[in-house]
Amino acid sequence: DIQMTQSPSSLSASVGDRVTITCRASQSISNYLNWYQQKPGKAPNLLIYVASTLQSGVPSRFSGSGSGTDFTLTISSLQPEDFATYYCQQSYSTPWTFGQGTKVEIK
Amino acid sequence: QVQLQESGPGLVKPSETLSLTCTVSGGSISSNYWSWIRQPPGKGLEWIGYLYYSGSTNYNPSLTSRVTISVDTSKNQFSLKLSSVTAADTAVYYCARHGVGSSMDVWGQGTTVTVSS
Repeated sequence: DIQMTQSPSSLSASVGDRVTITCRASQSISNYLNWYQQKPGKAPNLLIYVASTLQSGVPSRFSGSGSGTDFTLTISSLQPEDFATYYCQQSYSTPWTFGQGTKVEIK
Repeated sequence: QVQLQESGPGLVKPSETLSLTCTVSGGSISSNYWSWIRQPPGKGLEWIGYLYYSGSTNYNPSLTSRVTISVDTSKNQFSLKLSSVTAADTAVYYCARHGVGSSMDVWGQGTTVTVSS
């Protein structure tokens, strides 16, 4: 299985901050990397697919980059509604696997 | 737009079989891949398996001996069966549609299944 490791596991930030979350794969996954946002009690919501393509309806303050083994999710200016847990997921080979999550909390 | 809704018992006894259904509305189950994912309380996400509308499947090796995913195109539904459940199978179970690059672009709201006697 491909292991996905996110860092940090949690972070505290203020509204307006630039936030970066990193996801590393245990082997190359090309650009088959997706990012999800999950709020408490809700299903995950797709933000970014194939590493850098913004899902329809997702604000442009979210962006993704990377290829191979190293990927980043950036929120350019954190908004109150962005406080949530973020997961990366590789869809290069089955079994699809997720990172352990990064919880973004209010400072 | 496409919406997904999970349904099934919220409580299952140890050693029995968990059975859930995902109903697709606002679109056809045909011509897409569909997955089941679960999330134990307070933990991360685990992909269980996917199905193509034609009936072909791919399961997580960690669960393959206990999992069956099937489709009923006449009802626009697909289903999950997980046999010989234990407390470790207690989780919120989600169904989802595959999008570009096998991302999961539409999710059901999730259904909580507790394994307990």
